[in-house]
Amino acid sequence: DSGVTQTPKHLITATGQRVTLRCSPRSGDLSVYWYQQSLDQGLQFLIHYYNGEERAKGNILERFSAQQFPDLHSELNLSSLELGDSALYFCASSSLWGNNEQFFGPGTRLTVL
Amino acid sequence: AQSVAQPEDQVNVAEGNPLTVKCTYSVSGNPYLFWYVQYPNRGLQFLLKYITGDNLVKGSYGFEAEFNKSQTSFHLKKPSALVSDSALYFCAVRDARGAGNMLTFGGGTRLMVKP
Repeated sequence: DSGVTQTPKHLITATGQRVTLRCSPRSGDLSVYWYQQSLDQGLQFLIHYYNGEERAKGNILERFSAQQFPDLHSELNLSSLELGDSALYFCASSSLWGNNEQFFGPGTRLTVL
Repeated sequence: AQSVAQPEDQVNVAEGNPLTVKCTYSVSGNPYLFWYVQYPNRGLQFLLKYITGDNLVKGSYGFEAEFNKSQTSFHLKKPSALVSDSALYFCAVRDARGAGNMLTFGGGTRLMVKP
């Protein structure tokens, strides 16, 4: 158990809908990262937050947004969902801004029908 | 830009034999390198990392990796494979000079250890 929690574990929804994925980092970790894992794209970095501030953006669609709250939990919002958004979404956290390893949560499996 | 290549989609090895999972990388500056393992329906588990210092890095579950700067490689190794090592392995890199802390992952290598 990495100490990173994600809810829900599974999410099934329809095209055009909006969903929110939630992540709680390990106790004391200030950095939260979101990744998408799909069969065709592999593991891709989406966005990084450090202590409530956005630090880096990767291949994140404009339909997607994220935030990190004062208690350090983070939410990833996905809107106007398309079939191609079906994937595993992972949250990770790390202790410091720097070279420390990232610890991954169990992921949320999103299925868009 | 940073990138990682894992040239083998799958590696097959017999239990008790040594295993190697290959990884090559490309970064502008000095690399921070990581190996993660993913079991079915689970998140990624950290195995080991290279930041600086000794080129041979030891990690969890008897795994080790060798950093080779001239070949830009960071191959994962284990002297004696176990059936329970069967999983999906990911190599990742971060540019030490990069503004962000993002990891770039390779495509993954499925390790199959047969009894």
